[in-house]
Amino acid sequence: EIVLTQSPGTVSLSPGERVTLSCRASQSVSSSYLAWYQQKPGQAPRLLIYGASSRATGIPDRFSGSGSGTDFTLTITRLEPEDFAMYFCQQYDTSPRTFGQGTKVEIK
Amino acid sequence: QVQLQESGPGLVKSSETLSLTCTVSGGSISGYSWSWIRQSPGKGLEWIGYIKSTGSTNYNPSLKSRLILSLDTSKNQFSLKLSSVTTADTALYYCARDGDFFYYWGQGTLVTVTS
Repeated sequence: EIVLTQSPGTVSLSPGERVTLSCRASQSVSSSYLAWYQQKPGQAPRLLIYGASSRATGIPDRFSGSGSGTDFTLTITRLEPEDFAMYFCQQYDTSPRTFGQGTKVEIK
Repeated sequence: QVQLQESGPGLVKSSETLSLTCTVSGGSISGYSWSWIRQSPGKGLEWIGYIKSTGSTNYNPSLKSRLILSLDTSKNQFSLKLSSVTTADTALYYCARDGDFFYYWGQGTLVTVTS
């Protein structure tokens, strides 16, 4: 199975700052079959990005995804207070679908 | 707006079978695939498996020997049965509509396996 490793584990930032989260795959994810989710405490994950770079319906354009092969990134250009949360990547290239362990974006 | 709601016992004894049902509202179960995903502090998010509206299934190999997914189109529901559970199966269980990625999720239901 494809193992996804996210970094950093935790990042501490202030509102208004820019953040880039990394998701590295143990083998190439073809056709950029990679998604990103945001999860807040007590809530289910929320789809942000699919196809590595396509924003899901209703997602603000401060969220962007990029990458291919084994290296993918999620960038939030200017952190809003509601963006402090956990972020997970997920590949759907091969079965079983797998998730990264997550990156926590916390308020500094 | 599609909504999903998990239901089932919150406590299951070790070695017994965990059974959950997901009820879909706001849309038909037909024509889509439906997944179960669980989340625990130790294992993070783990995809369990999916069932298509045709009834075909795809299971995570790590759970395949203990897992059965089924669906009832007349009730707009799909279900999970996981046998021979251990404390390692304690998790928050989500159902989701499967488009390879997951846009619609249930709120999750916590299942605790007691020894």
